[in-house]
Amino acid sequence: AQTVTQSQPEMSVQEAETVTLSCTYDTSESNYYLFWYKQPPSRQMILVIRQEAYKQQNATENRFSVNFQKAAKSFSLKISDSQLGDTAMYFCAFMSGITGANSKLTFGKGITLSVRP
Amino acid sequence: DADVTQTPRNRITKTGKRIMLECSQTKGHDRMYWYRQDPGLGLRLIYYSFDVKDINKGEISDGYSVSRQAQAKFSLSLESAIPNQTALYFCATLNRGSSPQHFGDGTRLSIL
Repeated sequence: AQTVTQSQPEMSVQEAETVTLSCTYDTSESNYYLFWYKQPPSRQMILVIRQEAYKQQNATENRFSVNFQKAAKSFSLKISDSQLGDTAMYFCAFMSGITGANSKLTFGKGITLSVRP
Repeated sequence: DADVTQTPRNRITKTGKRIMLECSQTKGHDRMYWYRQDPGLGLRLIYYSFDVKDINKGEISDGYSVSRQAQAKFSLSLESAIPNQTALYFCATLNRGSSPQHFGDGTRLSIL
């Protein structure tokens, strides 16, 4: 079974600075999908970014980028120019495939990010 | 309108009551999922369904049942609610052959 580990329960960053959220995972699969979801106080689950393991290039979405290290099974999220609206809980998630039972998501425990004005 | 709609948004009930949480989607996705979120534990999978006739248990299915009434509707039932089922419940959908999963806004359930 796959596991996802987010070892930092909380982080804080000054507005406009850069912060990196860590995530490691364990799998024997060679191809899979990784995601970061954001959960603001409104409790919606909002997709921030996704990475397909067969793609070597790190995914980027505006101020959000990942550092995907397949051999190390590491998938960190970097938030540049942090904004107050980035304050939320962030979940790292793993999906071993997009067909059948592989399409289940396995989540980490989440990290609460606070952006200070 | 939301693509994945969960009802109710919030619910407070008593131990022993039967509860049904409903999920409907307009995305036309064939796969639907129920997750439970507890503080410090992340989200965990309760049940998932690939079509009306294909329902599967997830990691924490004990005490829950589901019904896929149509491709667009997937309900989660607690036959006899207990306090440790107090949690935030999410429904999600996925289109075959694509990612990611799309989530509803969640149902906060409190069992007294």
